Amino acid sequence: EVQLVQSGPEVKKPGESLKISCKGSGYTFPSYWIGWVRQMPGKGLEWMGIIYPGDSDTRYSPSFEGQVTISADKSNSIAYLQWRSLKASDTAIYYCARHISSRWYDNYHFYGMDVWGQGTTVTVSS
Amino acid sequence: EIVLTQSPGTLSLSPGDRATLSCRASQSISSSFLAWYQQKPGQAPRLLIYGASSRATGIPDRFSGSGSGTDFTLTISRLEPEDFAVYYCQQFGSSPLFTFGPGTKVDIK
Repeated sequence: EVQLVQSGPEVKKPGESLKISCKGSGYTFPSYWIGWVRQMPGKGLEWMGIIYPGDSDTRYSPSFEGQVTISADKSNSIAYLQWRSLKASDTAIYYCARHISSRWYDNYHFYGMDVWGQGTTVTVSS
Repeated sequence: EIVLTQSPGTLSLSPGDRATLSCRASQSISSSFLAWYQQKPGQAPRLLIYGASSRATGIPDRFSGSGSGTDFTLTISRLEPEDFAVYYCQQFGSSPLFTFGPGTKVDIK
């Protein structure tokens, strides 16, 4: 079974660092782009960025560039989302999701996110 | 940045009704790059449609997608009780900012 399993809920204070994880199984992890999506309390979905674990090619939404770091350990089939200094506004559920893509020469095209993790709740409060 | 607008914000229908959800883009996108998701309370989103009209694996055929350019539609032919949820469209035409629409909530009338 293809699945993404995320790390458990986190409660942190403002200014603390955090790294959450997303472990893939049932498929060739290095060969699929993995992305992260934020959902703030009671709000909609926001796409944050993606990584190709095979070569660590990473792309960020301008809204999140510099605010978070996306990384991956292809040997262990894990993707990560990291903050250096959390803010209260980072309180949200974070989902990882596998992207459907195709490669055309040096360009990738993306079509949807077909496998989702269960979500990690991050609460930042003093 | 491509902005997606979804309408209506809320759709109140009964089981067995037909649901028509709209997603409008601020600029033209290839139909290949438009997807729809369903999200139920407390659950992760689920991919329904990609490429504007292709059903994802395991999605019932009562769900269909259509559209091109700036106007896209998700249709649920006959609502089942499990279809009452929030539906999001997403575009992949503007890398690396793959924006979502704000969502349409389909609730029970």
